Amino acid sequence: QKEVEQNSGPLSVPEGAIASLNCTYSDRGSQSFFWYRQYSGKSPELIMFIYSNGDKEDGRFTAQLNKASQYVSLLIRDSQPSDSATYLCAVGLGGSGGGADGLTFGKGTHLIIQP
Amino acid sequence: GAGVSQSPSNKVTEKGKDVELRCDPISGHTALYWYRQSLGQGLEFLIYFQGNSAPDKSGLPSDRFSAERTGGSVSTLTIQRTQQEDSAVYLCASSLAGPQGRTYTDTQYFGPGTRLTVL
Repeated sequence: QKEVEQNSGPLSVPEGAIASLNCTYSDRGSQSFFWYRQYSGKSPELIMFIYSNGDKEDGRFTAQLNKASQYVSLLIRDSQPSDSATYLCAVGLGGSGGGADGLTFGKGTHLIIQP
Repeated sequence: GAGVSQSPSNKVTEKGKDVELRCDPISGHTALYWYRQSLGQGLEFLIYFQGNSAPDKSGLPSDRFSAERTGGSVSTLTIQRTQQEDSAVYLCASSLAGPQGRTYTDTQYFGPGTRLTVL
């Protein structure tokens, strides 16, 4: 059974600092990795996706993937109070003909940016 | 208005009643997913449709749950004889293609959800 693990938090980070969110997954066949942000009472919204080992940067966000260690992380630079939300890590087999059961989501990390 | 839409946004029902939840995916998206999110919990996969293929029902929690997708577009999730533990937000997502191609197009976009409360 595919599992995605995240620290539930809350993770408290002062405004302007770097927030680091981590995720580990169990299925070595996983090919696609996503970070979603979910505000309280709202549906998840995609922040970033990454498929290759290494770093991928998009504005203040950097996703890091290490398939050998089976972890993926999200860094948020210059954290803002508006970044306070739950961050969901999702893993899929996508692109390899598998993953017909959709993405597997972690339970999310609750991030709080302190002004 | 090109996003995923769901209706109703809120549904309150009595235990034992049947409910139908609707999802209208992004135009052109062939893959459609249903998830359930209970209070304070992560997303629980329920069912997946890819085009006109038979759906993957491996996540449905019981035989009271069923879903259909007509014409490869709109989907309806039906819960029969609702129980209090069915109370949750039901989220629908669509993607351009399911995880069958090699172009990594399985980014899922979520609808606003339907909050179901079973009294």
